[in-house]
Amino acid sequence: KAGVTQTPRYLIKTRGQQVTLSCSPISGHRSVSWYQQTPGQGLQFLFEYFSETQRNKGNFPGRFSGRQFSNSRSEMNVSTLELGDSALYLCASRPGGSDTGELFFGEGSRLTVL
Amino acid sequence: EDQVTQSPEALRLQEGESSSLNCSYTVSGLRGLFWYRQDPGKGPEFLFTLYSAGEEKEKERLKATLTKKESFLHITAPKPEDSATYLCALSDSNYQLIWGAGTKLIIKP
Repeated sequence: KAGVTQTPRYLIKTRGQQVTLSCSPISGHRSVSWYQQTPGQGLQFLFEYFSETQRNKGNFPGRFSGRQFSNSRSEMNVSTLELGDSALYLCASRPGGSDTGELFFGEGSRLTVL
Repeated sequence: EDQVTQSPEALRLQEGESSSLNCSYTVSGLRGLFWYRQDPGKGPEFLFTLYSAGEEKEKERLKATLTKKESFLHITAPKPEDSATYLCALSDSNYQLIWGAGTKLIIKP
């Protein structure tokens, strides 16, 4: 069974640009969450999607947005990039509405903003 | 405010030297406490879920325990391959995960 796949793995952008990251969850998983990880802040929750609907949202500005498609694949977008957006962006999936806390993470997309 | 604090930030042990990692928390309605392991350049990997005080879970050299204010991850006779960052997270009353900053564990052969 394939794991969570994130693309691209690495990318470099400049301030003011926008970026779109993609996540393919484990087959059959309908919930996808996104996290930002930085050395100083640790894992910060961005948002969770379940059956194409945003179910939860963290405390990030509106420049961070996401969506989920009917096949459960998800994308997140960051507009008007700032230096502080440099981070590892992790996607995690789980089967559905259950709250086991068992998330299956991808290897992340490492974004560098220059 | 719901909060998770992990200590120490880093821990260096000799192979075979047992120790414990701490995760202290404050939450208004605990739905569960979780331990994950993260290797460099990888996403976190799920280890355990604990739901109530007194509960214990074991997996190989790891044992997780839970009280009303903290959780411990005990590592018995660790090996170099146990080196990783160990993350603790709790599920709050809204089923949102709140993460600790992690403990970086280094096991020297």
